[in-house]
Amino acid sequence: GAGVSQSPSNKVTEKGKDVELRCDPISGHTALYWYRQSLGQGLEFLIYFQGNSAPDKSGLPSDRFSAERTGGSVSTLTIQRTQQEDSAVYLCASRPGRQETQYFGPGTRLLVL
Amino acid sequence: AQTVTQSQPEMSVQEAETVTLSCTYDTSESDYYLFWYKQPPSRQMILVIRQEAYKQQNATENRFSVNFQKAAKSFSLKISDSQLGDAAMYFCAYISNFGNEKLTFGTGTRLTIIP
Repeated sequence: GAGVSQSPSNKVTEKGKDVELRCDPISGHTALYWYRQSLGQGLEFLIYFQGNSAPDKSGLPSDRFSAERTGGSVSTLTIQRTQQEDSAVYLCASRPGRQETQYFGPGTRLLVL
Repeated sequence: AQTVTQSQPEMSVQEAETVTLSCTYDTSESDYYLFWYKQPPSRQMILVIRQEAYKQQNATENRFSVNFQKAAKSFSLKISDSQLGDAAMYFCAYISNFGNEKLTFGTGTRLTIIP
């Protein structure tokens, strides 16, 4: 079946602009994660959605970052007033249930000029 | 907080030879999972192998096997008969069986295969 998909693949934006990154998880997967992969910080957890529960936002680096997951499926990560330090690859992952493996999408490479 | 350490930023191996990538972790929990993920230049994180902490038997997937030493908190990956397609970044990762099950990653090891 189809894997996790993310769009856009690459995004270049100017400092101060807002961006939206999209993730389509594997159908039927109840859990969805966003991670950020940057040169200085490695791979870090951002946010976690599980079914209809309130998301775990403990990894979001600032209030400029937000995410939502509509209908328990597609998720959008929004970064407002982008800064150059937001430049990174943003990875999305989903898993079918607890204790199951997370499957990753191809990521969105964000470059803030 | 859990931490994962990969002390080898880069490794290289001759094609068809065997290479071992090191990983250590720190946790106070007894119930957790460990993973090795591969990230080729395409950026896609691909699961290589998974180990449940409660299992004493080391996981094996074809040419990939792990040496899991729970007491030492060590989780190394052995790649046998290395192939050119194995060239990638390899990340060791940890998940607690409690809470949100987020992955905690090491800093990665870049593996080069020498033809």
